[in-house]
Amino acid sequence: DVKVTQSSRYLVKRTGEKVFLECVQDMDHENMFWYRQDPGLGLRLIYFSYDVKMKEKGDIPEGYSVSREKKERFSLILESASTNQTSMYLCASSSADTPIYGYTFGSGTRLTVV
Amino acid sequence: QKEVEQDPGPLSVPEGAIVSLNCTYSNSAFQYFMWYRQYSRKGPELLMYTYSSGNKEDGRFTAQVDKSSKYISLFIRDSQPSDSATYLCAMSTGSGGYNKLIFGAGTRLAVHP
Repeated sequence: DVKVTQSSRYLVKRTGEKVFLECVQDMDHENMFWYRQDPGLGLRLIYFSYDVKMKEKGDIPEGYSVSREKKERFSLILESASTNQTSMYLCASSSADTPIYGYTFGSGTRLTVV
Repeated sequence: QKEVEQDPGPLSVPEGAIVSLNCTYSNSAFQYFMWYRQYSRKGPELLMYTYSSGNKEDGRFTAQVDKSSKYISLFIRDSQPSDSATYLCAMSTGSGGYNKLIFGAGTRLAVHP
């Protein structure tokens, strides 16, 4: 069964900490994405990558950075966590052949910043 | 104004009811329309997709797109308690090498026995 795996289901971090969220996919997908999901706002795109070492800003990149050193792994970094970054973070991947319909999501990481 | 509007609900229906979930949008360039289902503590999973206008049926689920009204719907017939989830609509223009999806806020559905 193909999957996208997010390393942590729940995280609690302190304000100002540097936070790493890891995502690994086993489908050999070219595209990978990081979204955050908040009540009433839906999914908002933070960053995406269409190839190794390539990254593009999404709609809300401020306060975040990403790293993609290997095709299967896409990391989201909160440089200095703040309480307004408390959210559900979802990683997704898709193939370059079926980029629109073929999104596969991970189960999410619920991050609480205190 | 958001590009995609979706009533967050919650929507509570008895088992066996017909459920109608809807989204409106403002960008007339959207060509690809999707519905995702998200169970509690899980990531969204693709339920149905349509291209341009028209209907698409898959078992108990029917997706409709009315581009003239900028309105899409998902109908669930004979709803089951296992259909209880959050339903997200998503759309894309399909242009460019990367096809960005714009999501609605999601509608929470509860089907009670």
